Amino acid sequence: GAVVSQHPSWVICKSGTSVKIECRSLDFQATTMFWYRQFPKQSLMLMATSNEGSKATYEQGVEKDKFLINHASLTLSTLTVTSAHPEDSSFYICSAPDLTSGSYEQYFGPGTRLTVT
Amino acid sequence: SQKIEQNSEALNIQEGKTATLTCNYTNYSPAYLQWYRQDPGRGPVFLLLIRENEKEKRKERLKVTFDTTLKQSLFHITASQPADSATYLCALDGYGGSQGNLIFGKGTKLSVKP
Repeated sequence: GAVVSQHPSWVICKSGTSVKIECRSLDFQATTMFWYRQFPKQSLMLMATSNEGSKATYEQGVEKDKFLINHASLTLSTLTVTSAHPEDSSFYICSAPDLTSGSYEQYFGPGTRLTVT
Repeated sequence: SQKIEQNSEALNIQEGKTATLTCNYTNYSPAYLQWYRQDPGRGPVFLLLIRENEKEKRKERLKVTFDTTLKQSLFHITASQPADSATYLCALDGYGGSQGNLIFGKGTKLSVKP
């Protein structure tokens, strides 16, 4: 099946700094990728839809200036958490559908654990 | 707004028994419903998709039913094994089935005891 990777798998940063998370589709092209956030014992919450070659679409309540998304190629989307604060500590997961397969199945990355101290 | 509920936060069963997990939704008529497995510290892994016009879907020891009248899906694991222990998430399409983003339930943590 299709594979999505994320890097890094975990990161610790100081409050006020920025962190970039990469999401790659390894064996298929992804014109669309999704970014989710998951707090402990909570559901995955969609943050934004990343579109190759155009601006990301953010869900209500998600600050687009704080969570910068760039989808520069058909296999790479990046999420940058700017001026991170402890409340941004969470598990960030990306996903991509392989639309060429005709299935609505989502392929998820392994996630990135962000801890802001 | 759309709401998805998985009725149990946790389910403990004995090895060999059938595990049944429930997913209910309101204020929505999804084109399809999906079930995912999530292990601790990992991203979800796709298991099954069932469309609105399908009543039942099977894959090996897994079975999913979809009742659009009750607005409910049941997820069954037969002959459960300790390796089946994980959190199981149900998910609905967010925007009418064409855009691919998903709305997830909180999940049910299944523990299968040997």
